[in-house]
Amino acid sequence: KQEVTQIPAALSVPEGENLVLNCSFTDSAIYNLQWFRQDPGKGLTSLLLIQSSQREQTSGRLNASLDKSSGRSTLYIAASQPGDSATYLCAVYTGKLIFGQGTTLQVKP
Amino acid sequence: GAVVSQHPSRVICKSGTSVKIECRSLDFQATTMFWYRQFPKQSLMLMATSNEGSKATYEQGVEKDKFLINHASLTLSTLTVTSAHPEDSSFYICSARDVRTESYGYTFGSGTRLTVV
Repeated sequence: KQEVTQIPAALSVPEGENLVLNCSFTDSAIYNLQWFRQDPGKGLTSLLLIQSSQREQTSGRLNASLDKSSGRSTLYIAASQPGDSATYLCAVYTGKLIFGQGTTLQVKP
Repeated sequence: GAVVSQHPSRVICKSGTSVKIECRSLDFQATTMFWYRQFPKQSLMLMATSNEGSKATYEQGVEKDKFLINHASLTLSTLTVTSAHPEDSSFYICSARDVRTESYGYTFGSGTRLTVV
C-alpha cells in the first residue's frame, strides 16, 4: 500500500530564507508526483508536476526534485515571501492520487 | 490552463436533508473526475472516481448510498450527500485531469465547506 509522508508538518521561517520541504513515498512504482499549494479553506493549486522519468522541474522560485528509486521528492523555495505562507501537499499518482499530510509553512515578515 | 469550477463554496443544511455539490470542467472535457474529502488539518482522502456515462468507483469505506455521484456529461459531475448528519460536515473537493495536456496533472476545484446542523 502506497504511503506518502511529508516532513516537517509545520515550518516557520523569516522572510527571505531559502527552504526545503520533504516528501517520501513507500512504493517507487509511480507515474508522476505533483506538488500543490492549499490556502486555508480553499482548493488546491498545482505548483509543479514531475513525471516518473524526470529528475526535477522548476517554476520561478520553486524547484522540485524527484528520486524515484529512493522514494523521495523535495520542494525548494528560494527567497521565501509572506505570500508563500500556505500548506504544501505532495501527491503521487499510481492510477489515483495519494496525498501526504502536508507541510504548513509560515513566512514571517 | 485547465479550470475546474465547484459550487457551492459553502453550504449549511439541516440534519436529514440532502445536499448537491457540482463540479464542472470549464474549458476541457473530463471523462473522469475525482471527489475528495478533507477533515480539518488533515490531508485529502479520495472518496470516489466519477466516470462519465457509467457508475462511480468508490473507495473502501465510503458509503455508496450516502454519497451519490452522477457524471452525466463530459463537463459535469455531481456529489449528493443524502440524509446528511453532523459527522458529514467536512470540506469536499473535486478534481479532474485534462488529458489533452502533456503534463497530465490534476486540476482541483475550490472546494465546498459543508456544515450539517
